Amino acid sequence: EAGVAQSPRYKIIEKRQSVAFWCNPISGHATLYWYQQILGQGPKLLIQFQNNGVVDDSQLPKDRFSAERLKGVDSTLKIQPAKLEDSAVYLCASSFALGETQYFGPGTRLLVL
Amino acid sequence: QQQVKQSPQSLIVQKGGISIINCAYENTAFDYFPWYQQFPGKGPALLIAIRPDVSEKKEGRFTISFNKSAKQFSLHIMDSQPGDSATYFCAASRNRDDKIIFGKGTRLHILP
Repeated sequence: EAGVAQSPRYKIIEKRQSVAFWCNPISGHATLYWYQQILGQGPKLLIQFQNNGVVDDSQLPKDRFSAERLKGVDSTLKIQPAKLEDSAVYLCASSFALGETQYFGPGTRLLVL
Repeated sequence: QQQVKQSPQSLIVQKGGISIINCAYENTAFDYFPWYQQFPGKGPALLIAIRPDVSEKKEGRFTISFNKSAKQFSLHIMDSQPGDSATYFCAASRNRDDKIIFGKGTRLHILP
């Protein structure tokens, strides 16, 4: 069974630029999560989807971050404009249903200069 | 406010030894406590989890000990192997459906 796919794996941008990350969850998984993992810290949930609906986005900085999961499968996370403090690994995870085991992708490492 | 406090930040153990990582929480509403293992360049993977109705859970060489009154729980890795070298995160949530709050992680290195 293929795991969670993410692209790109690495991205370097300058502050105030925009960037987008893509996630393809495990086939059949209804729940999709985006996490931000700053160096030396644990992952922090940014947004959680159940199919194409948002379950929790309370920790998403909505002035600059947006995410969508239009057809209930793939998802994109966008940052516009980026700040230096957005440098982190952005992890996507999926689970069969709410509350089930989350499977994480390898992450996208973002460096904002 | 850090809801899940993890220690130590890093740990070095000899092969065959016991690795112990500790976590403490503040929110008494937490009732699901998973541990995740993360290798460099990979996402975290669920290792073992416990609910507060039991004081211990064992899966192979990995054991969670839980002390509800002290609001503490710990991961013990018996017969530690070089392949166990990774970063370990404790976590907590109010229930399995709620968002997971992660600790800051412990970088474990097992000496061959």
